[in-house]
Amino acid sequence: SAVISQKPSRDICQRGTSLTIQCQVDSQVTMMFWYRQQPGQSLTLIATANQGSEATYESGFVIDKFPISRPNLTFSTLTVSNMSPEDSSIYLCSVAAGTRVYEQYFGPGTRLTVT
Amino acid sequence: GQSLEQPSEVTAVEGAIVQINCTYQTSGFYGLSWYQQHDGGAPTFLSYNALDGLEETGRFSSFLSRSDSYGYLLLQELQMKDSASYFCALGITGGGNKLTFGTGTQLKVEL
Repeated sequence: SAVISQKPSRDICQRGTSLTIQCQVDSQVTMMFWYRQQPGQSLTLIATANQGSEATYESGFVIDKFPISRPNLTFSTLTVSNMSPEDSSIYLCSVAAGTRVYEQYFGPGTRLTVT
Repeated sequence: GQSLEQPSEVTAVEGAIVQINCTYQTSGFYGLSWYQQHDGGAPTFLSYNALDGLEETGRFSSFLSRSDSYGYLLLQELQMKDSASYFCALGITGGGNKLTFGTGTQLKVEL
């Protein structure tokens, strides 16, 4: 299993600003994922971030709003741009266990509140 | 697209057995996973079914029936610490290799 850390753990931001969330893994991994989860709700995949290629975004999520970087095999960032209160959520990064995408390990999440 | 439906809430007593169901609609998938998430915590991987039938991992078992588009997670000898949310997730290859999560079931274990 992988150990994943996220920064910040929580933040309160004003509308119109941007926040960059960092995800650090203790081992090299190929496949990383970013999810959004409203409290008490399910997980929604934002994008898949594989090192060496552009991030692949899910329907309803666009690069201008959620730019992702994946500079190496242990690190990724997700930026939430031009925030509105609707962006208030928990943002989670995860990594696949090797090529086993069905087995993912998650970071502790970043709780974002937009006022 | 895909959809996975789960009961929103299940309540059981300590020591009992509980089954959490997951029904799905999809155009194609390679397997069904289950995750546990405690309040304020990260989801953790529990089990995976690539084939029809039962997979057992300690107190937890998971079942898949592709013909019925149905799976379940079975928790035996329930403990208070099992109180959490449980999510089924389909492994999808169309449009990239990824997971689609179910609606989630909150399990409450009572004394």
